[in-house]
Amino acid sequence: AQSVTQLDSQVPVFEEAPVELRCNYSSSVSVYLFWYVQYPNQGLQLLLKYLSGSTLVKGINGFEAEFNKSQTSFHLRKPSVHISDTAEYFCAVSVPTGKLIFGQGTTLQVKP
Amino acid sequence: SQTIHQWPATLVQPVGSPLSLECTVEGTSNPNLYWYRQAAGRGLQLLFYSVGIGQISSEVPQNLSASRPQDRQFILSSKKLLLSDSGFYLCAWSVQSSYEQYFGPGTRLTVT
Repeated sequence: AQSVTQLDSQVPVFEEAPVELRCNYSSSVSVYLFWYVQYPNQGLQLLLKYLSGSTLVKGINGFEAEFNKSQTSFHLRKPSVHISDTAEYFCAVSVPTGKLIFGQGTTLQVKP
Repeated sequence: SQTIHQWPATLVQPVGSPLSLECTVEGTSNPNLYWYRQAAGRGLQLLFYSVGIGQISSEVPQNLSASRPQDRQFILSSKKLLLSDSGFYLCAWSVQSSYEQYFGPGTRLTVT
């Protein structure tokens, strides 16, 4: 069975500093991987996705993620964060039935 | 382009009252549709998903039900609300052959 673990529930960081949000997954089959962002009281917005090809995936708002098959990880990174990046971030993995399994989320708190 | 709508945006209902939340998708045909619940400080729990009109799969036994009376309409219902039904309800859609899901703005339900 597939599962997703987001290793940090909260990540505080100062504005303009780099950040990494960690995501590990477990699966016995090939998977597709996603990162979503949720601003307060809003729905989820797709940040980026890995389907195949290059393991370094670039998304919106300057975020990128690297798929590492050997370590079963899909960590999200941004070289310089802004106050506006403060939000909840969810990692998700596909399952063969066509659904997604979501991690518990990581709260990114960007401080001035 | 495709858009997804949910209403109402917020709802306060007493325990034991009925519930009806609606989700509609525009700009696409025969989408997969999903209902998620997000409890305070927790991740997303998939409640129901549908691959076509009248085809509903339930992920967890609960006090809720779902219906899909039209291709792009998905309704979440309850006959009698419980306190534990409080949460943020999100509707999402995807293309039939894709895992990528697009989320609506959500409905904040408070059961008092």
